[in-house]
Amino acid sequence: KAGVTQTPRYLIKTRGQQVTLSCSPISGHRSVSWYQQTPGQGLQFLFEYFSETQRNKGNFPGRFSGRQFSNSRSEMNVSTLELGDSALYLCASSLGGWREENIQYFGAGTRLSVL
Amino acid sequence: DAKTTQPTSMDCAEGRAANLPCNHSTISGNEYVYWYRQIHSQGPQYIIHGLKNNETNEMASLIITEDRKSSTLILPHATLRDTAVYYCIVPYSGGGADGLTFGKGTHLIIQP
Repeated sequence: KAGVTQTPRYLIKTRGQQVTLSCSPISGHRSVSWYQQTPGQGLQFLFEYFSETQRNKGNFPGRFSGRQFSNSRSEMNVSTLELGDSALYLCASSLGGWREENIQYFGAGTRLSVL
Repeated sequence: DAKTTQPTSMDCAEGRAANLPCNHSTISGNEYVYWYRQIHSQGPQYIIHGLKNNETNEMASLIITEDRKSSTLILPHATLRDTAVYYCIVPYSGGGADGLTFGKGTHLIIQP
């Protein structure tokens, strides 16, 4: 079956703009998690959505937000972009949530460059 | 999340077994150990996970010590395509809110 799909794969924005990234999970998966990866900080957890509700949140400012739709697809939004937001944004889906014995499957990511 | 400690980097000759260690001395009784790997600029890929018993799948074997304070991921016949960063993760299963903490991982380099 199809894996986790993230769109777009690459994005270039300027400071102050906002951006929306999309993630389509594996069919049947209800949990979607988002991560930010930068060379300096590595992979950091942003938030997790389960059945349209944000269940967990990492330590990121309020400029980072997300939502999940009834079909489990998820979007992540970053407002007022800063240069430091340049990163690879990864989405992962799983059947339940990371608390249970659940394997997370990752998408290929969206590479965001802020100029 | 329970803290994990891995070597920063390791080399292995192609065709040989690659043994990647991980210490997780603060692991609790109901926490699983997961291994993922990430090939440059791609999304992390799940490899294997276990609780107490040793596990094997088509990709690798996982050996967990009896006290569960450490584990070893074994790639039995390493190929050049196994060059990647390998992450050992112990997610918190008691109601924490930090998602998966990846740490720095081990950069495994397979030498021809």
